[in-house]
Amino acid sequence: ETGVTQSPTHLIKTRGQQVTLRCSSQSGHNTVSWYQQALGQGPQFIFQYYREEENGRGNFPPRFSGLQFPNYSSELNVNALELDDSALYLCASSPGLQQETQYFGPGTRLLVL
Amino acid sequence: EDQVTQSPEALRLQEGESSSLNCSYTVSGLRGLFWYRQDPGKGPEFLFTLYSAGEEKEKERLKATLTKKESFLHITAPKPEDSATYLCAVQGNTGFQKLVFGTGTRLLVSP
Repeated sequence: ETGVTQSPTHLIKTRGQQVTLRCSSQSGHNTVSWYQQALGQGPQFIFQYYREEENGRGNFPPRFSGLQFPNYSSELNVNALELDDSALYLCASSPGLQQETQYFGPGTRLLVL
Repeated sequence: EDQVTQSPEALRLQEGESSSLNCSYTVSGLRGLFWYRQDPGKGPEFLFTLYSAGEEKEKERLKATLTKKESFLHITAPKPEDSATYLCAVQGNTGFQKLVFGTGTRLLVSP
């Protein structure tokens, strides 16, 4: 059984650019959540996808958007990057909405210059 | 709004010196309280889920307990490899699986 994987591991972008981060869920998991973790802080919830539909959203602007594919992999897209978007972006999957425990991937470290 | 406060922010222990980490929370209807371990630059690693007051769970040198207002992570006879940041999170009755995290406790265990 493979765990949650994310790509790329590191990324450097400049302000105003767009970025796409990718996540493959753990085998058998159909729910994916994305979190942003700034240095020295706990992860902050961005949004969640369940069976290809957005199921909930945190306090992030619309320039943060996502997709979930039929194989339950997922993408996080961020448009018009700002310096404050520099963070570790974490993807977490779970077996379904009734299974609360989420398992995290290793994250993508994004640096915006 | 759901909120989690962890203390202390940082803790330094000698190998074998037992201690406890605290997680205080406010949540509208607790669905679960979660403990994760996070090593520098890596994703959080799941440790425990607690669902109701009075519940306890153990794994090796770690034991998590839960009351109606707080949770404790007890570390017995820690080893240097237990050094990490320990994150606490709650999930309330929002209808979806949103975890609200604290800022974590950075634990350093010296040999």
